[in-house]
Amino acid sequence: GAGVSQSPSNKVTEKGKDVELRCDPISGHTALYWYRQRLGQGLEFLIYFQGNSAPDKSGLPSDRFSAERTGESVSTLTIQRTQQEDSAVYLCASRRIGETEAFFGQGTRLTVV
Amino acid sequence: GENVEQHPSTLSVQEGDSAVIKCTYSDSASNYFPWYKQELGKRPQLIIDIRSNVGEKKDQRIAVTLNKTAKHFSLHITETQPEDSAVYFCAASKGSSNTGKLIFGQGTTLQVKP
Repeated sequence: GAGVSQSPSNKVTEKGKDVELRCDPISGHTALYWYRQRLGQGLEFLIYFQGNSAPDKSGLPSDRFSAERTGESVSTLTIQRTQQEDSAVYLCASRRIGETEAFFGQGTRLTVV
Repeated sequence: GENVEQHPSTLSVQEGDSAVIKCTYSDSASNYFPWYKQELGKRPQLIIDIRSNVGEKKDQRIAVTLNKTAKHFSLHITETQPEDSAVYFCAASKGSSNTGKLIFGQGTTLQVKP
């Protein structure tokens, strides 16, 4: 595709439910990142994938958060037993190895009620 | 740990004036410093970046300066226009030879008044 695509664009879920957020990176981009953006805040790093391995998971805030990636393609971020503090925009970015620019998706706005 | 501080959090200027946003970073190993613009409800988009072997870079009305010794970098927008109104984020990274992970500042909301 032309850019990084994320789905759904909006998700409202009840506290305690699990959610899955999807990211389709730009074709050929082996580096993939997930970030969280709380209202009025900067982007917090969550996890980095190189291919389908995750050498840096240091930003995942708790064991309720996990992510996986299939090959050099789609990634899913799963949040189990959602809490109200998980409400945020979750952004995915991808980058071609050897280049510096990271391209962002439009994000998934998650609201936990 | 790695940290990027960004100031001011909000900035209001008159159309045609200049705007300056400043960032400091903590990790001296950082060598890549991009600036992203995020319009309301849209994705962040790269507007300019600078690497640590360069002190200044300019692209039309936008310039970025880097002081490695002080670990400061700044975004300068001249002749501001209403369409420059957005949230601007600075970031620091150890570069693509590392993970390429970006550490972001908290953002500056720029309002350009017509």
